[in-house]
Amino acid sequence: QKEVEQDPGPLSVPEGAIVSLNCTYSNSAFQYFMWYRQYSRKGPELLMYTYSSGNKEDGRFTAQVDKSSKYISLFIRDSQPSDSATYLCAMSETGGGNKLTFGTGTQLKVEL
Amino acid sequence: DVKVTQSSRYLVKRTGEKVFLECVQDMDHENMFWYRQDPGLGLRLIYFSYDVKMKEKGDIPEGYSVSREKKERFSLILESASTNQTSMYLCASSPRGGGRIAFFGQGTRLTVV
Repeated sequence: QKEVEQDPGPLSVPEGAIVSLNCTYSNSAFQYFMWYRQYSRKGPELLMYTYSSGNKEDGRFTAQVDKSSKYISLFIRDSQPSDSATYLCAMSETGGGNKLTFGTGTQLKVEL
Repeated sequence: DVKVTQSSRYLVKRTGEKVFLECVQDMDHENMFWYRQDPGLGLRLIYFSYDVKMKEKGDIPEGYSVSREKKERFSLILESASTNQTSMYLCASSPRGGGRIAFFGQGTRLTVV
């Protein structure tokens, strides 16, 4: 079993929809949770970064962490065609140095 | 803006060749990383470095080595390229203590024939 599981998609939604992207994990030592966005033929770029449980909002993006369920989510409101990309979750332990464990990524397409 | 630059976007090499992938960052970051990205497997850590001349094995170091002679440069070496090393290679950097916020290069698509 992988430490981090993520549905690969593809997920196709109409413009303006609310998108929910999710990851589950098995390592209870994970304390830092990140979401990266990767456009085709580009490197990943950091979108959101949260520590421990709770919510964090940045514009149209909201990250949620539920450590009791070992489940994290990224919500995108009012989705745009420019949001079409692969979304990668990543996690890290406290004191785990600088090692990130990534999900496999979910491919999202927002259609006009 | 943080900039992580990988020397090549696309490379085609022959089986058995020694291959060098170069990465340079311009933000004085202490930490640098090499990942490979494959469909269905996600990003997997090959090697990372906390400082000049220091290196640590990641999850899949077999068949690879690294070199970090200067703070801004981190090289990945495929000692004898094989077809199963055909992949997208991504370099990343992060500041000391901020390793959870990594900045990535644009990637090198390596094909070994």
